Amino acid sequence: QKEVEQNSGPLSVPEGAIASLNCTYSDRVSQSFFWYRQYSGKSPELIMSIYSNGDKEDGRFTAQLNKASQYVSLLIRDSQPSDSATYLCAVNRETGGFKTIFGAGTRLFVKA
Amino acid sequence: DAMVIQNPRYQVTQFGKPVTLSCSQTLNHNVMYWYQQKSSQAPKLLFHYYDKDFNNEADTPDNFQSRRPNTSFCFLDIRSPGLGDAAMYLCATSRDKRLAEYNEQFFGPGTRLTVL
Repeated sequence: QKEVEQNSGPLSVPEGAIASLNCTYSDRVSQSFFWYRQYSGKSPELIMSIYSNGDKEDGRFTAQLNKASQYVSLLIRDSQPSDSATYLCAVNRETGGFKTIFGAGTRLFVKA
Repeated sequence: DAMVIQNPRYQVTQFGKPVTLSCSQTLNHNVMYWYQQKSSQAPKLLFHYYDKDFNNEADTPDNFQSRRPNTSFCFLDIRSPGLGDAAMYLCATSRDKRLAEYNEQFFGPGTRLTVL
């Protein structure tokens, strides 16, 4: 079992729709969770961070965290073609030995 | 603008010829990270510095070394590059690593390494 798992996709959604990206992790003591966007050939760009259970909204993006289910998701509302990229989930543990693990990412295509 | 800078952006080396990649930051962050990312794969953490404290990942090959001469700069040395070391090398920084709210990582543009 991978420590951070994401569906590789591709996930294809029409312009204006909601894109839903999911991530599960195996380390129960993980404490902080991040979503990065990575365009082809570019470096990851931080979109959202979330530290406690529930939802966190920032513009068109909403991150959702459920620590009991070891699950974190990213919703993108009103998807735009410029949102087409690979979305990486990252999980950190700060106590008991620092650890930072990235998932392999989900490729998202937004069709105009 | 505060940022993370990597040089060079593209590096071509020959099999077995040592190469050094550099990273600098103007964010005044305590932690600097080096990742290796191959096509369609997750970034893989090689090591990180927390201030001057070096932390090596258990599965990082001995062929990879790092130096952090001061807060702003960090170097990745590949002593004898093999064909399997061709990848994108990403440098990232975070303000801290002990507090969840301070460990957001900010990435440089990366260095694409080609090994001939």
